[in-house]
Amino acid sequence: AQSVTQLGSHVSVSEGALVLLRCNYSSSVPPYLFWYVQYPNQGLQLLLKYTTGATLVKGINGFEAEFKKSETSFHLTKPSAHMSDAAEYFCAVSVYQGGSEKLVFGKGTKLTVNP
Amino acid sequence: DAGVTQSPTHLIKTRGQHVTLRCSPISGHKSVSWYQQVLGQGPQFIFQYYEKEERGRGNFPDRFSARQFPNYSSELNVNALLLGDSALYLCASTKGWQEQFFGPGTRLTVL
Repeated sequence: AQSVTQLGSHVSVSEGALVLLRCNYSSSVPPYLFWYVQYPNQGLQLLLKYTTGATLVKGINGFEAEFKKSETSFHLTKPSAHMSDAAEYFCAVSVYQGGSEKLVFGKGTKLTVNP
Repeated sequence: DAGVTQSPTHLIKTRGQHVTLRCSPISGHKSVSWYQQVLGQGPQFIFQYYEKEERGRGNFPDRFSARQFPNYSSELNVNALLLGDSALYLCASTKGWQEQFFGPGTRLTVL
């Protein structure tokens, strides 16, 4: 069964520092992978996705992620953190089963950006 | 274009009551999915509907039900509410596969 593990429920960085949020997946088929961001009291916004093709995926707000099949990882990075990046981030894998498609999410990583 | 809309924004119910949550997908999207997000956790899949038919169901009790209307909007119903049903309920719409667009959610509090 497909699953996602996010390492670190809380990550704290200084403004301007590198952001690295870790995600490992388990999938018996080539995965479709996603990163979503959730600001307080809001829904989920798609940051980026990997389906096929280029393994380095660029998303919104300067974020990118690299699909590494050998490491079953899809870590999210941003070279320079901004105060507005403070939010919760969810990694997800798409599961297609019996005619339906669902997202299986990790438990999330809360990012704090210190001035 | 308007995004996914959900109503109400917040809801407070007591144990044993029934609740109905509503979702309107993005125009042109025919599939709607529902997710439950308990505080401190990632969203969990409840249902997917496509063209008014249930296509998938997550590991939730029969107290949870849903339907999709001809205009592709959807309702999620929960009967006999329990304290553990307190959560943010998210609706997502898709035009095809692979990308789900989420609404702002309905915050349900069960007292």
